[in-house]
Amino acid sequence: GEDVEQSLFLSVREGDSSVINCTYTDSSSTYLYWYKQEPGAGLQLLTYIFSNMDMKQDQRLTVLLNKKDKHLSLRIADTQTGDSAIYFCAESIRRSSSASKIIFGSGTRLSIRP
Amino acid sequence: NAGVTQTPKFQVLKTGQSMTLQCAQDMNHNSMYWYRQDPGMGLRLIYYSASEGTTDKGEVPNGYNVSRLNKREFSLRLESAAPSQTSVYFCASSNSGTGLYNQPQHFGDGTRLSIL
Repeated sequence: GEDVEQSLFLSVREGDSSVINCTYTDSSSTYLYWYKQEPGAGLQLLTYIFSNMDMKQDQRLTVLLNKKDKHLSLRIADTQTGDSAIYFCAESIRRSSSASKIIFGSGTRLSIRP
Repeated sequence: NAGVTQTPKFQVLKTGQSMTLQCAQDMNHNSMYWYRQDPGMGLRLIYYSASEGTTDKGEVPNGYNVSRLNKREFSLRLESAAPSQTSVYFCASSNSGTGLYNQPQHFGDGTRLSIL
């Protein structure tokens, strides 16, 4: 079936690196996304990776994709208090030449301790 | 840059009342979506509109109707609200690209709806 799984909570010390993990089940994924949701706000696209890539880096963010294990991770370097949020993993699955669907994980709540 | 605008931000209804949630985007996107977000369940797609003039059911369409009024606006209607529809509702939009969901979706800030 189609499923995206994430752990619900992660707590890290300010200044450390945060690693948020995600697993997915559908091998026909085309794009994989990371969204950030701050309290009272909608989902903000952080970054995405095409399924034929292994890694993507964007400033403090590093996305790693292991297609064999269907595992996606988001690493945030030098975690700051402003990084406190819920992080959603999502995959886009192509179903036909003109249609696909997006599946969201349940979100990982990242909290930062001093 | 407004992006995706949802109104209202909060609403409390009584069981059986009706209500329309409004969504507008100013990014000239073809596709628009309505999701609901419940604790521990991520986002679930209610309805989507691939392009102006078309709408299709998503994962959880029962109890809802939608209207794609024009390219900018996509509304969600609850005809007879039930407590199970208490949730946070998000509207999103995207370009269609080569596949409906392949382009990143841009989200509004949500409508928090409580049904008593």
